Amino acid sequence: QLQLQESGPGLVKPSETLSLTCAVSGGSISSTSYFWGWIRQPPGKGLEWIGNIYYYSGGSYYTPSLKSRVTISVDTSKNQFSLKLSSVIAADTAIYYCARLPAYSSSSFVFDVWGQGTVVTVSS
Amino acid sequence: EIVLTQSPGTLSLSPGERATLSCRASQNFGSSYLAWYQQKPGQAPRLLIYGASSRATGIPDRFSGSGSGTDFTLTISRLEPEDFAVYYCQQYGSSLWTFGQGTKVEIK
Repeated sequence: QLQLQESGPGLVKPSETLSLTCAVSGGSISSTSYFWGWIRQPPGKGLEWIGNIYYYSGGSYYTPSLKSRVTISVDTSKNQFSLKLSSVIAADTAIYYCARLPAYSSSSFVFDVWGQGTVVTVSS
Repeated sequence: EIVLTQSPGTLSLSPGERATLSCRASQNFGSSYLAWYQQKPGQAPRLLIYGASSRATGIPDRFSGSGSGTDFTLTISRLEPEDFAVYYCQQYGSSLWTFGQGTKVEIK
């Protein structure tokens, strides 16, 4: 059974870069069958899609409002993928979730497996 | 970018009642790419419905999805105590994913 686990600093200073990792267990991140993505949720608010990556093609997709500051990458040697968000501000404070998306099935492009989430606070 | 608008913002119902949640898109897209999620406090969201009407693995049949074009509905036929939560719709189109703002189903 696939499991995802986010990790990274819980506190980041304004203007610095937020870096998170999602470890994948019970499956291979290099599978052609899946995308891998990040979603965040500010305190008391709804879900915001950040971006996805498809290792097989090397394609990455980002929400327009964050595109200039976001990079998602894959490390196959560690079976994990990462999120980097640069020049953070207080509004980037949120729970950050990683998730899996099937690529070629009847449930394509939905987030079918989620990590438990990690809280990131942007503050000096 | 497609905007999803969910209504109502909050639905106050009693256990055993029927819940009807709406998700309206700002433009037409393939209904194959419309999903619903349930989120309980302190938990990650859980996939309920994909392809607008297909239940995810392990989801009880009291949950059903319908709709096409720009109007979609999640129906919970008879609310169980564990169904009181926040529900989000989500769509994919043109290499972009978006979520609705959520509907909270609370105990009346």
